[in-house]
Amino acid sequence: GAGVSQSPSNKVTEKGKDVELRCDPISGHTALYWYRQSLGQGLEFLIYFQGNSAPDKSGLPSDRFSAERTGGSVSTLTIQRTQQEDSAVYLCASSLGRQNYEQYFGPGTRLTVT
Amino acid sequence: DQQVKQNSPSLSVQEGRISILNCDYTNSMFDYFLWYKKYPAEGPTFLISISSIKDKNEDGRFTVFLNKSAKHLSLHIVPSQPGDSAVYFCAASANTGNQFYFGTGTSLTVIP
Repeated sequence: GAGVSQSPSNKVTEKGKDVELRCDPISGHTALYWYRQSLGQGLEFLIYFQGNSAPDKSGLPSDRFSAERTGGSVSTLTIQRTQQEDSAVYLCASSLGRQNYEQYFGPGTRLTVT
Repeated sequence: DQQVKQNSPSLSVQEGRISILNCDYTNSMFDYFLWYKKYPAEGPTFLISISSIKDKNEDGRFTVFLNKSAKHLSLHIVPSQPGDSAVYFCAASANTGNQFYFGTGTSLTVIP
């Protein structure tokens, strides 16, 4: 079946605007992760969803960032009042369950805040 | 605070030789380690993993070694092939948490 898909693939936005990034995980995967990779950095954990449990939001860098996962499938990462330091590649991954399962990554969304 | 470190940003190896990619970590609670491979404009793809109860895991040309006392793991690729040229990330997690911590990656170039 299809892998993890993300949209848009590229997004350029002006500072102060809100953006929404979408992730479609692999069907049947109960766990979903959001990461971001800034230039020259490793992948930074943002948020984790597991089934119907409350998400682990401990990686969100500020209250401008939020995410939701509807129906245990599609997830949307929202960044409000974007700042230039938000520019990064945002990666979504899904897996069969909790940690210690392989994560399957989407191609990412490259966000550029001008 | 980088809990997983890959101190070599790049590595070049001749085709057919061994590639050794290194990774160090600081958190003694980490008990599961993974290597991912990433091509440009694609998401990382899982390569191989190892649990802390083992010190070696092998899958074809890829072997991961774990030295818990040194908090160090390495990925060996033998023999290296040009198609192995990519960025390699190591990642670690603790069973008590939900997060995976990734290193900054090592860009491997295999020269034909």
